[in-house]
Amino acid sequence: AQSVTQLDSHVSVSEGTPVLLRCNYSSSYSPSLFWYVQHPNKGLQLLLKYTSAATLVKGINGFEAEFKKSETSFHLTKPSAHMSDAAEYFCVVSPNNAGNMLTFGGGTRLMVKP
Amino acid sequence: GAVVSQHPSRVICKSGTSVKIECRSLDFQATTMFWYRQFPKQSLMLMATSNEGSKATYEQGVEKDKFLINHASLTLSTLTVTSAHPEDSSFYICSAKLAGAQETQYFGPGTRLLVL
Repeated sequence: AQSVTQLDSHVSVSEGTPVLLRCNYSSSYSPSLFWYVQHPNKGLQLLLKYTSAATLVKGINGFEAEFKKSETSFHLTKPSAHMSDAAEYFCVVSPNNAGNMLTFGGGTRLMVKP
Repeated sequence: GAVVSQHPSRVICKSGTSVKIECRSLDFQATTMFWYRQFPKQSLMLMATSNEGSKATYEQGVEKDKFLINHASLTLSTLTVTSAHPEDSSFYICSAKLAGAQETQYFGPGTRLLVL
């Protein structure tokens, strides 16, 4: 069994300030973890993924996430928010090397103030 | 690379009619495609997994006779919502896996269905 909890349903930051979107997971298997972004009325775009290699994963658009097994966390960060980062973000877990079994978190809506 | 398209992007239909949504992998072969449903302000829920040339596997609670899935080729899967009702109004998103790859699903842009 696996599950994902995104600890904040909404996060609001000012443009130019750091972004932190929190994600905790549970999995009976060695997991693969993903962050996807969804802009309004659009599909999901893969930001980054962790698949048991380096624990600090760098993604697109300046985002990165760190896999911490001891804390069962995979928080998403970005040093400086841009207005275009405003979107819905989903943390996703699957058993390693089994891309059929994605489990989605509830999503975090990121708002960026000018 | 790894682009997935969906058609139509938006559709409005009358209650009782059927609607077909197409999902295409444009630049790769997808042995497996997935169909998700997303209600407003909610996360994605997997409806079914579609393997090319075989019957789809539906998640618990999803009516296979209402949501017909066909995966006739390595680049095309279709979802037909039969006898649509207003409660079927939702955002339907497909995804596809590269043949031979294990982890990553690539998502289409979604189809907004409104049943009047």
